Amino acid sequence: AQSVTQLDSQVPVFEEAPVELRCNYSSSVSVYLFWYVQYPNQGLQLLLKYLSGSTLVKGINGFEAEFNKSQTSFHLRKPSVHISDTAEYFCAVSDSSNTGKLIFGQGTTLQVKP
Amino acid sequence: DTAVSQTPKYLVTQMGNDKSIKCEQNLGHDTMYWYKQDSKKFLKIMFSYNNKELIINETVPNRFSPKSPDKAHLNLHINSLELGDSAVYFCASSHTRDSASFGPGTRLLVL
Repeated sequence: AQSVTQLDSQVPVFEEAPVELRCNYSSSVSVYLFWYVQYPNQGLQLLLKYLSGSTLVKGINGFEAEFNKSQTSFHLRKPSVHISDTAEYFCAVSDSSNTGKLIFGQGTTLQVKP
Repeated sequence: DTAVSQTPKYLVTQMGNDKSIKCEQNLGHDTMYWYKQDSKKFLKIMFSYNNKELIINETVPNRFSPKSPDKAHLNLHINSLELGDSAVYFCASSHTRDSASFGPGTRLLVL
């Protein structure tokens, strides 16, 4: 069975500092990987996705992630965060059954401080 | 243009009542889903429909019944609501394994 682990439940960071949110997955088959962001009282918005090809994926709002098959990781990075990046971030893997089912990590709360 | 819409956005009701949540997508996707987000913000799939056919039915109480009248709509009916059903319910849609687009969520509070 596939699973996703987000290694940090909360990440506090100062404005304009770089940030990395860590995500590890377990799967015995090829995977599709996603990062979603959830702002307070809102739905989930796709930040970026890895389906195939280049292992460095660029997304919206200056975020990027690197797929590392050997380490089964898909860490999310941003070189300089803004107050507006404060939100909950979810890493997810698409189920190998081809149903489109997403298996989510526990979420990481990014707190950007001035 | 709203891609995935849900109604209502908020739902406050008494234990034992029956309620429905409606979802519509205008993205032309072939697969629709219901996810539940609990109080710890953990997200878990409940159901999925592909072209009106139920393809995922996770371990969910029988009190929850999804219905898909057509590819663009997926509704969720809940019978005999319990306190533990309080959560945020998200509708989503996708082209099978590609990225899912999520609705704004329905915040259900059972008193």
